[in-house]
Amino acid sequence: AQSVTQPDIHITVSEGASLELRCNYSYGATPYLFWYVQSPGQGLQLLLKYFSGDTLVQGIKGFEAEFKRSQSSFNLRKPSVHWSDAAEYFCAVGATVGGADGLTFGKGTHLIIQP
Amino acid sequence: NAGVTQTPKFRILKIGQSMTLQCTQDMNHNYMYWYRQDPGMGLKLIYYSVGAGITDKGEVPNGYNVSRSTTEDFPLRLELAAPSQTSVYFCASSYRDNEQFFGPGTRLTVL
Repeated sequence: AQSVTQPDIHITVSEGASLELRCNYSYGATPYLFWYVQSPGQGLQLLLKYFSGDTLVQGIKGFEAEFKRSQSSFNLRKPSVHWSDAAEYFCAVGATVGGADGLTFGKGTHLIIQP
Repeated sequence: NAGVTQTPKFRILKIGQSMTLQCTQDMNHNYMYWYRQDPGMGLKLIYYSVGAGITDKGEVPNGYNVSRSTTEDFPLRLELAAPSQTSVYFCASSYRDNEQFFGPGTRLTVL
């Protein structure tokens, strides 16, 4: 069975600083990987996804992520954070394209932005 | 498009009561899902459906039932509510080869 680990429960970053959120996955075959963001009291919004091809994927809101098969990682990055980026971030893995049988989520990383 | 809509937004139940959480999508997606989100635990899959008339269990199906009579609707039924079912419930949908779109959630408290 697949699993996702987000080692950082909370991360605090100053506004304008760079950001990296870590995600490690466990899956025997080629994974389908996703990053979602959840603002307080809201549903989840997809930031980006990796299915195949270029291992560096670009997403919305200036986010990018890099798939590293050798490290079983899919870390999320942003060069300069804005106060509006404060939210909960979830990494997820699916066993099939589009996660037809559901996604497995990490426990999330809570991002705090300092002024 | 309204996307994925869920009703109600909030609900308080007494132990042993039953209720149905409604989920509707207007994107003509084949696949639909129910997740529950508990604090610090991420989302866990309860049930999913790959099309009308087809449903399957996810990771945490006990205490829940679902049906899928139409492409648009995927209601989640709690028959005998228990405090352990206090959670935030999210419905999602996807089209084959695409990402999942989530509804705004239903916050359920069982007392």
